[in-house]
Amino acid sequence: GAGVSQSPRYKVAKRGQDVALRCDPISGHVSLFWYQQALGQGPEFLTYFQNEAQLDKSGLPSDRFFAERPEGSVSTLKIQRTQQEDSAVYLCASSGRLAGGAQYFGPGTRLLVL
Amino acid sequence: AQTVTQSQPEMSVQEAETVTLSCTYDTSESDYYLFWYKQPPSRQMILVIRQEAYKQQNATENRFSVNFQKAAKSFSLKISDSQLGDAAMYFCAYRTATNFGNEKLTFGTGTRLTIIP
Repeated sequence: GAGVSQSPRYKVAKRGQDVALRCDPISGHVSLFWYQQALGQGPEFLTYFQNEAQLDKSGLPSDRFFAERPEGSVSTLKIQRTQQEDSAVYLCASSGRLAGGAQYFGPGTRLLVL
Repeated sequence: AQTVTQSQPEMSVQEAETVTLSCTYDTSESDYYLFWYKQPPSRQMILVIRQEAYKQQNATENRFSVNFQKAAKSFSLKISDSQLGDAAMYFCAYRTATNFGNEKLTFGTGTRLTIIP
C-alpha cells in the first residue's frame, strides 16, 4: 500500500470494555511497531514485531495489553478491560530492511475511555 | 537506557526566517541513528530528516538541515526560509543501529513550532 493505515481512526469505549486496534503496514515492511502517545507528549514504545515474531514487548503497560501479527503483515493491538488512563493516541509504524532505521507512521487511533 | 531531551517546549519564527530546534541525547553506544519527525496538528507523524552517527557529514533535506555534534551528543534541526506549512510539533528520536531485536525509537517530548505570518 501507499502508506501505513490504521483503523478505526477514533474509538470511544466505556470503562471495562475490550477494544481492538488494527494496523496495516507498508507492503513488504518486515518490522512493525506500536507506540502510545498521550496528549502533548512524545510517543512511547509499546511493542515491536519482525515478521510474525514479537521481539520486544517491554513497553506494554500491563497484561491487559496484547498485540499480535499472526501472518507477518496486519497487526492488532488489543486492550482488555479498558481504563481511563488508556485514553491516548495509538500509533503504528513500519520499516523495511533497507529503510536505514527510519520508521513510517500511520495516522493513529485516538482512543477515549469514558 | 537511552534518553532524548528537547529543552524548548515552544518556539516561534517569522515566516521566511530561520529557526533552530535543539535536541540532546544520552547513550553509551557508538553507532546509532537520529531522526527529526514532524507532527502537524491532528495529522500523522512525518519523517523530516535522518542522520547516521558514523557519518560526520550533516544531513540535509531541502530547507531542513541538522547540526550533529557526536561528542556533545547534540542534534539540532535548522529550518531555513520558514513557511506556514512548517507549523507543527517536532520530535527528535534515537534508534540503536543494531538491527535485530532492538529497533524501537526513543522520542523526546517535542517542540511546538509556530510560524508568524
